Amino acid sequence: QKEVEQNSGPLSVPEGAIASLNCTYSDRGSQSFFWYRQYSGKSPELIMFIYSNGDKEDGRFTAQLNKASQYVSLLIRDSQPSDSATYLCAGGFFQKLVFGTGTRLLVSP
Amino acid sequence: GAVVSQHPSWVICKSGTSVKIECRSLDFQATTMFWYRQFPKQSLMLMATSNEGSKATYEQGVEKDKFLINHASLTLSTLTVTSAHPEDSSFYICSARDRLGTQETQYFGPGTRLLVL
Repeated sequence: QKEVEQNSGPLSVPEGAIASLNCTYSDRGSQSFFWYRQYSGKSPELIMFIYSNGDKEDGRFTAQLNKASQYVSLLIRDSQPSDSATYLCAGGFFQKLVFGTGTRLLVSP
Repeated sequence: GAVVSQHPSWVICKSGTSVKIECRSLDFQATTMFWYRQFPKQSLMLMATSNEGSKATYEQGVEKDKFLINHASLTLSTLTVTSAHPEDSSFYICSARDRLGTQETQYFGPGTRLLVL
């Protein structure tokens, strides 16, 4: 069974700090990984995706993929209170996305 | 770009009635759309994959006769919850995959909150 695991949190960081969100997956066949942000009561919003081993940066966000360890992470630099949300990691499996349960991030002013 | 809309955004209905939810890709064509359900404090659960012009593929445990999906065009998919019951109350979210996309990126609609009394 394909699974994506995340720590539910909450992860609490002060404003301006780096938030590190982690995700592991069980199926080595997955080639693509996605990070979505979901505010309470809203639908998920795509932050970024990554296919290749290594780092991918987009503004304050950096996604990291290590296929050998089956590990994906998202770093948020200069965290802001508006970043407080649930972050969903998803693995792509033949057109479908399998979501983790999400990590709740709290950024305190 | 990559905007997906859903209608209605919320609906309250009596038990036994049917509810139709529309999902539209506004600025791109989507051969594939997906329907998810999310209960409070839980993650997204894929219900079915909807392909334009063909029958939907349902995930294990999802009743196809209860959740009717129609994907009549490249920009519209509908989900009909037939004979809704209180346990069907949930947050229903659709997503769409760009026809020109080569990856599995999905763009989500704003969701429809269903409350069955």
